[in-house]
Amino acid sequence: GAVVSQHPSWVICKSGTSVKIECRSLDFQATTMFWYRQFPKQSLMLMATSNEGSKATYEQGVEKDKFLINHASLTLSTLTVTSAHPEDSSFYICSAVDPGVEQYFGPGTRLTVT
Amino acid sequence: DAKTTQPTSMDCAEGRAANLPCNHSTISGNEYVYWYRQIHSQGPQYIIHGLKNNETNEMASLIITEDRKSSTLILPHATLRDTAVYYCIVRVIRDDKIIFGKGTRLHILP
Repeated sequence: GAVVSQHPSWVICKSGTSVKIECRSLDFQATTMFWYRQFPKQSLMLMATSNEGSKATYEQGVEKDKFLINHASLTLSTLTVTSAHPEDSSFYICSAVDPGVEQYFGPGTRLTVT
Repeated sequence: DAKTTQPTSMDCAEGRAANLPCNHSTISGNEYVYWYRQIHSQGPQYIIHGLKNNETNEMASLIITEDRKSSTLILPHATLRDTAVYYCIVRVIRDDKIIFGKGTRLHILP
């Protein structure tokens, strides 16, 4: 089946620094990818929709200047958490849409900000 | 807001069938019922989906009521590896964003 990868699988960074998370579709081209965030014992919360070649669409309450999304190619979307703070520590998950086929989820990236 | 209602948690004995209910009373005629599960610290995994008819695959069966207002996911022979949070989702097309509710936390008891 289709595979979506995320890199890194986990990352620890210091408060105030920025961290980039990659989401790749490995065997299909994804014009649309989605980014989710999940806090412990909570459900996945949709953060934004990433469309190749255009600006991302953010959900209400998500700071677009803090969570920068770039979908520069049909197989890669990146989420950059800028000026990270401990409250940004979370599990970040992406999904990629294989057009007309299905939507597939990545394995997630655990971010810890110290 | 999520369009589905699920029990918060359920227990099932290992080897028995796990039946997970979902209410989606406001489902539209063109909306599919999807089920995903999330094992701890992993991304969601697709299980099954259906529109009107009952569906079965190698993982599970999906029973949808005739009025489509509710459905049941059946794991025929639950194992410890089926311990996860199960999400019932309704959506129109595959490309659409997925809004997750709280899901059902399924505990498989040895």
